Amino acid sequence: KAGVTQTPRYLIKTRGQQVTLSCSPISGHRSVSWYQQTPGQGLQFLFEYFSETQRNKGNFPGRFSGRQFSNSRSEMNVSTLELGDSALYLCATKAGVEDTQYFGPGTRLTVL
Amino acid sequence: QKEVEQDPGPLSVPEGAIVSLNCTYSNSAFQYFMWYRQYSRKGPELLMYTYSSGNKEDGRFTAQVDKSSKYISLFIRDSQPSDSATYLCAMSARTGFQKLVFGTGTRLLVSP
Repeated sequence: KAGVTQTPRYLIKTRGQQVTLSCSPISGHRSVSWYQQTPGQGLQFLFEYFSETQRNKGNFPGRFSGRQFSNSRSEMNVSTLELGDSALYLCATKAGVEDTQYFGPGTRLTVL
Repeated sequence: QKEVEQDPGPLSVPEGAIVSLNCTYSNSAFQYFMWYRQYSRKGPELLMYTYSSGNKEDGRFTAQVDKSSKYISLFIRDSQPSDSATYLCAMSARTGFQKLVFGTGTRLLVSP
């Protein structure tokens, strides 16, 4: 069974630009959660989508948004990038509400 | 003050040692507790999942939760060089891995 796939793996952007990251879940998984990981703050929850609906949301500004498609693939978008947005962005997917979630390898975003 | 505190390490031990990793937390609503292992350039991998207080054992790993002290631990027996990784505690007030709050992680180095 293929694991969680995230693309691209590495990305370099400049301040003010926007970026879109993609997460393809394990086959059959309907829930996708996004996290930001930085050395100072650790892993912080961004949002969760289940069957194309945002189910939970963390405490991030509106510049961070996401969506989920009918095939469960998810994208997250960050607009007006700031230096502090440099981080590893991880997605985690699971089949149902009570199931274990599995993390992807992450997308390393660097903002210059 | 962060909701979850975890010593960043690094923690260096010789092969075969017993390792103790700990987290403290402030939110008494947390009921679900997890430990993840993260290798370099990889996403976190779930090691242990416990509900409420008590102990749980899985092979060389033992997780302990003391809700009265707001303190959780992960013990690794007979540590191996392959255990060298960053260990993250995580917790949630909700079932189903929803809105997880992570510690910043402890880096463990096991030398042969």
